[in-house]
Amino acid sequence: ETGVTQTPRHLVMGMTNKKSLKCEQHLGHNAMYWYKQSAKKPLELMFVYSLEERVENNSVPSRFSPECPNSSHLFLHLHTLQPEDSALYLCASSQDRVGGGTYNEQFFGPGTRLTVL
Amino acid sequence: AQKVTQAQTEISVVEKEDVTLDCVYETRDTTYYLFWYKQPPSGELVFLIRRNSFDEQNEISGRYSWNFQKSTSSFNFTITASQVVDSAVYFCALSDPNSGNTPLVFGKGTRLSVIA
Repeated sequence: ETGVTQTPRHLVMGMTNKKSLKCEQHLGHNAMYWYKQSAKKPLELMFVYSLEERVENNSVPSRFSPECPNSSHLFLHLHTLQPEDSALYLCASSQDRVGGGTYNEQFFGPGTRLTVL
Repeated sequence: AQKVTQAQTEISVVEKEDVTLDCVYETRDTTYYLFWYKQPPSGELVFLIRRNSFDEQNEISGRYSWNFQKSTSSFNFTITASQVVDSAVYFCALSDPNSGNTPLVFGKGTRLSVIA
């Protein structure tokens, strides 16, 4: 398998459920990202991990909890979500950007379409 | 702050027409990269092109071409002889490779519909 994969592709959950989104990259990259794509909004960066350490968190509510156990896997744990959290959640990876001079060419997975009832 | 503006929200063209998608960016940095991504109905963003701020040469790849003009801070994308398979949302993005871990800044996207 190549590229960036995400599971599940579709998820419907109630506001009291706990679920997790999974992302896996097979590109040998060291940086991984979670983005949220809502209708009529630009892509919103949620979390960035570089070498398995979180380096950026754009003030995301605590009901979203990321986990990066190794450079190939990234999870997004969901808990007590709201209907407005319904969106397409995209995972991406890139070569490690630490050190400057590199570019942030990111490769994206197909996304998980999340619906919160 | 960095910003990317894609003023065209939606464009519809008839197959075989040429279409240009506009992208205007703002940055205070002298070194940066510009990108175009395509998002077909399947959802994933597909990388199309990366352009270094020091390289203003236009690029052509098959039916795709890009016009980078630093003087107007624009990085426009043209599809020649459009096809139905070109229907997708196209995103322009900007990054600054020297700002550490700052990721891409995306525009809001332009939805292109190519009608047979």
